Amino acid sequence: AQTVTQSQPEMSVQEAETVTLSCTYDTSESNYYLFWYKQPPSRQMILVIRQEAYKQQNATENRFSVNFQKAAKSFSLKISDSQLGDTAMYFCAFMNTTSGTYKYIFGTGTRLKVLA
Amino acid sequence: NAGVMQNPRHLVRRRGQEARLRCSPMKGHSHVYWYRQLPEEGLKFMVYLQKENIIDESGMPKERFSAEFPKEGPSILRIQQVVRGDSAAYFCASSPTAGGSGGLPQHFGDGTRLSIL
Repeated sequence: AQTVTQSQPEMSVQEAETVTLSCTYDTSESNYYLFWYKQPPSRQMILVIRQEAYKQQNATENRFSVNFQKAAKSFSLKISDSQLGDTAMYFCAFMNTTSGTYKYIFGTGTRLKVLA
Repeated sequence: NAGVMQNPRHLVRRRGQEARLRCSPMKGHSHVYWYRQLPEEGLKFMVYLQKENIIDESGMPKERFSAEFPKEGPSILRIQQVVRGDSAAYFCASSPTAGGSGGLPQHFGDGTRLSIL
């Protein structure tokens, strides 16, 4: 069974600085997708970034980028120029596409606090 | 362009009552997923439905929980004879396909927070 591990329950970063959130996963599949979602205090689940496993190039979305290491099964999220609005829970998610259901398997989350 | 709509936003039930949670997917989306988030935990998959079909219910508790997605109307997650342990946030997500176009992300509703007295 696939598993997703986020080993940092809480992190903090000064405004305008850079922070990296870690995520590792376990799977025997070769075709899958990885996602980061943000959950602010409002509890919405907001898509931050998406990575296809077959692509070697790391995904980027403005201030958000990933470091995808397929062999190591690692998928970390880097937030540059942190802003107060980045304060939220961040969840790493794995989507297996060979099972036919495409459900997400989420990690336990990292609570990020951006300090003024 | 409305997103995924869940209602109610908050639901309070007494032990033994029934809870019905509703989810209307985004326009053009025919695939619905339900997830449960216990306090201070990540989201856990419960069930995946297409119109009139349950495709994967491997995350659903064996008893008291059921889900449907009728041809017309919203998807319903039904919990019978609720207990305190059912208190959680229940999220619905939808996608236009089952990822056939390449792992399309799911779009989430704002969740229903269920509290059991």
